Amino acid sequence: GEDVEQSLFLSVREGDSSVINCTYTDSSSTYLYWYKQEPGAGLQLLTYIFSNMDMKQDQRLTVLLNKKDKHLSLRIADTQTGDSAIYFCAVHSGGYQKVTFGIGTKLQVIP
Amino acid sequence: KAGVTQTPRYLIKTRGQQVTLSCSPISGHRSVSWYQQTPGQGLQFLFEYFSETQRNKGNFPGRFSGRQFSNSRSEMNVSTLELGDSALYLCASSLGPGTPNTEAFFGQGTRLTVV
Repeated sequence: GEDVEQSLFLSVREGDSSVINCTYTDSSSTYLYWYKQEPGAGLQLLTYIFSNMDMKQDQRLTVLLNKKDKHLSLRIADTQTGDSAIYFCAVHSGGYQKVTFGIGTKLQVIP
Repeated sequence: KAGVTQTPRYLIKTRGQQVTLSCSPISGHRSVSWYQQTPGQGLQFLFEYFSETQRNKGNFPGRFSGRQFSNSRSEMNVSTLELGDSALYLCASSLGPGTPNTEAFFGQGTRLTVV
């Protein structure tokens, strides 16, 4: 089955850029997502990219996809303390709504 | 329109007991998926229901089961609870199977603690 890996922890200073990385194994993945989870909350879809795209920008968020290396990244520009959360990379493979999630990267923003 | 509603939000059970969690999808959504979230394993897919039928299943023991009603509300049941079942259980609703998660929405989850 699909395997999605991401680092566990990232610490950045307020105002800097954050880059959260993710690798996956299934080359037939169609949609790739980034979710944000704040303490005590469910998952919020932040952004996503189709597998036929290399890059998607959405305000402070930039998603880069390298299909050859099966590598996905999320860049948050001008990181704010409100961005502190756990970020999940998720990959949609196959016809049914079976999405494989990474373990989540905890982003700590230092004021 | 109302979001995905999961009840209860918090639950404490003892080992050996069973538990039932509920998920009401967004109006008009007919597919409900369940996930287990633990610190060590991250988010793991449990199962998906559509039109009262289980369409997809993750790698969990038979103690984990679910069902879906004609109004698309879904319940999941865990029998003979173990300490390791302590987790946040999330459900996601979407229009139907195969719908990308761009159109799937998550509830806030039920935090289950087994003591």
